[in-house]
Amino acid sequence: EVQLVESGGGLVQRGESLRLSCAASGFSINYHWMDWVRQAPGKGLEWVANINHDGSEKYYVGSVKGRFTISRDNARNLLFLQINSLRDEDTAVYYCSTALNNWGQGTLVAVSS
Amino acid sequence: DIQMTQSPSSLSASVGDRVTLTCRASQGIGSDLCWYQQKPGKAPKALIYAASKLQSGVPSKFSGSGSGTEFTLTISSLQPEDFATYYCLQYYSYPRTFGQGTKLEL
Repeated sequence: EVQLVESGGGLVQRGESLRLSCAASGFSINYHWMDWVRQAPGKGLEWVANINHDGSEKYYVGSVKGRFTISRDNARNLLFLQINSLRDEDTAVYYCSTALNNWGQGTLVAVSS
Repeated sequence: DIQMTQSPSSLSASVGDRVTLTCRASQGIGSDLCWYQQKPGKAPKALIYAASKLQSGVPSKFSGSGSGTEFTLTISSLQPEDFATYYCLQYYSYPRTFGQGTKLEL
């Protein structure tokens, strides 16, 4: 069964950092573009970033450029999102996805002042 | 950035109805559009890709059409499990952008 499980979310202070992980099982992420999408409480979906098969191409939405870094470890079937300088507006459920097709259940990041 | 605008923002319907949701792009995106269904507290579920192609396992009651700047998602014979929020997404260019969603209510 194809499964994506996010982890690493939590309550963090404004300005701090966090690293989200996404563990894939039932398939190899080697051949897939991988995405992160977030959803603020009560709001719509926002695409955050994606990364190609070998990590040589990465794209970000403008509001996170310079603060977020997407990466992957194909050998361990893992996707990551490093989030630095957290802002109030980063509070959201973060989903990982295989090319916006299969999705995990999400991990909540809550930024507190 | 390409702006995606969905209409209506909310729609009331009844079991058995056929409904059509619209998504408009601020510039042409060819057929690089997906549709998603999201229920409260759950992850989005992919329904349609390439504007009109059904994802594996998605019932044929869902259909998509359109190209360029105007797209539609039609759901026939609504069942209770179809009441959810629906989002469109363009993957023609970066950043990928979602519409604001259409909430389909019973």
